[in-house]
Amino acid sequence: DAKTTQPPSMDCAEGRAANLPCNHSTISGNEYVYWYRQIHSQGPQYIIHGLKNNETNEMASLIITEDRKSSTLILPHATLRDTAVYYCIATFNAGGTSYGKLTFGQGTILTVHP
Amino acid sequence: NAGVTQTPKFQVLKTGQSMTLQCAQDMNHNSMYWYRQDPGMGLRLIYYSASEGTTDKGEVPNGYNVSRLNKREFSLRLESAAPSQTSVYFCASRDEDPWTRISYEQYFGPGTRLTVT
Repeated sequence: DAKTTQPPSMDCAEGRAANLPCNHSTISGNEYVYWYRQIHSQGPQYIIHGLKNNETNEMASLIITEDRKSSTLILPHATLRDTAVYYCIATFNAGGTSYGKLTFGQGTILTVHP
Repeated sequence: NAGVTQTPKFQVLKTGQSMTLQCAQDMNHNSMYWYRQDPGMGLRLIYYSASEGTTDKGEVPNGYNVSRLNKREFSLRLESAAPSQTSVYFCASRDEDPWTRISYEQYFGPGTRLTVT
């Protein structure tokens, strides 16, 4: 899996967009970018993933640069319940030797304040 | 549909004691995983099972054994607990396409908080 680098912490005002960056400069062509979050020591929760196109779902948007060396997770209208640790993971999607193993770094602690 | 369940939620062991952490999923997923999370750290993979009847080591397997009892259940055993195994243990299962095995997300259980004194 490619190494990812994230800022250790970020703040965001409630109702504003939270933009969480992730650097993955050594990502290979077949590796996807996944985002998970962990709220207050609960089990991690899947947010979104992408390969090279921008992606959007009901939780967030994922913007991947054209060279795929970095990405940004966007929570469009952050709420207090979005306060969590956010993990950016680059990994292969298909089976084979990876079998979907996830390598978690230390992530970004996002604090949403009123 | 309970998702991924883990028992127990909390456990305190003395050094040298043994115990088994239980995990079950009701989503008919092929792959299951055990992770540990130490304070202030990300999760680390202990063991995984790509399908019923198979298990493989992850990043930190020493001191642990696993059993994939059937498609639903994947247990983690500590034969002789050590203080270094004090951690929160998470089980997860993975959804995937049955033909290509391409998958998109892992579903995590609520965790077992283990303290070894």
